[in-house]
Amino acid sequence: GNSVTQMEGPVTLSEEAFLTINCTYTATGYPSLFWYVQYPGEGLQLLLKATKADDKGSNKGFEATYRKETTSFHLEKGSVQVSDSAVYFCALGPAQGGSEKLVFGKGTKLTVNP
Amino acid sequence: NAGVTQTPKFRILKIGQSMTLQCTQDMNHNYMYWYRQDPGMGLKLIYYSVGAGITDKGEVPNGYNVSRSTTEDFPLRLELAAPSQTSVYFCASIHSGLRSLGGQFFGPGTRLTVL
Repeated sequence: GNSVTQMEGPVTLSEEAFLTINCTYTATGYPSLFWYVQYPGEGLQLLLKATKADDKGSNKGFEATYRKETTSFHLEKGSVQVSDSAVYFCALGPAQGGSEKLVFGKGTKLTVNP
Repeated sequence: NAGVTQTPKFRILKIGQSMTLQCTQDMNHNYMYWYRQDPGMGLKLIYYSVGAGITDKGEVPNGYNVSRSTTEDFPLRLELAAPSQTSVYFCASIHSGLRSLGGQFFGPGTRLTVL
């Protein structure tokens, strides 16, 4: 079945450091890929998405590129801020970008220190 | 729009007690979901509904029941609470089809402890 594997956390960085959170997936066909973010005490919010190979999703300075050859969707940000401290979830969905049935990774907790 | 609202925010139950977690959305979404989030384990789908009167099991349905009598409400029922049900519960909703491209909308969660 479909599955998502994220790098183990927690991740602790200093402000303005470069961030990478790895995500790889196993799926049949051509799934859609998502990153969700969960700020402390809140529910998950969609951060970015990509619906086909070589697509790049971006939002709030975060980027992720859908790499079919390596089955990956790594999240990156060039300069993190304290306000980026949150738990980040990689997720996989049906083809063509639908979100009706998502499979989530375990989440990676990021802490950014001033 | 209030989005997806959940009540209560916190609850402590004794083993064997029952309770209902409430979820309401005001976006006229047809799909609704219940997930549980255990530490270090990500989200697991408990039940989902594709419309009023239609529900289906997810990955971890044992010990739970749901109903969907209206588009807006999707309550989750725990009949005989067990310590294994200690978790944070999230309700989510989405409109299927092209409008699902914006991702699922999540409520703020209910933190449940069973002692």
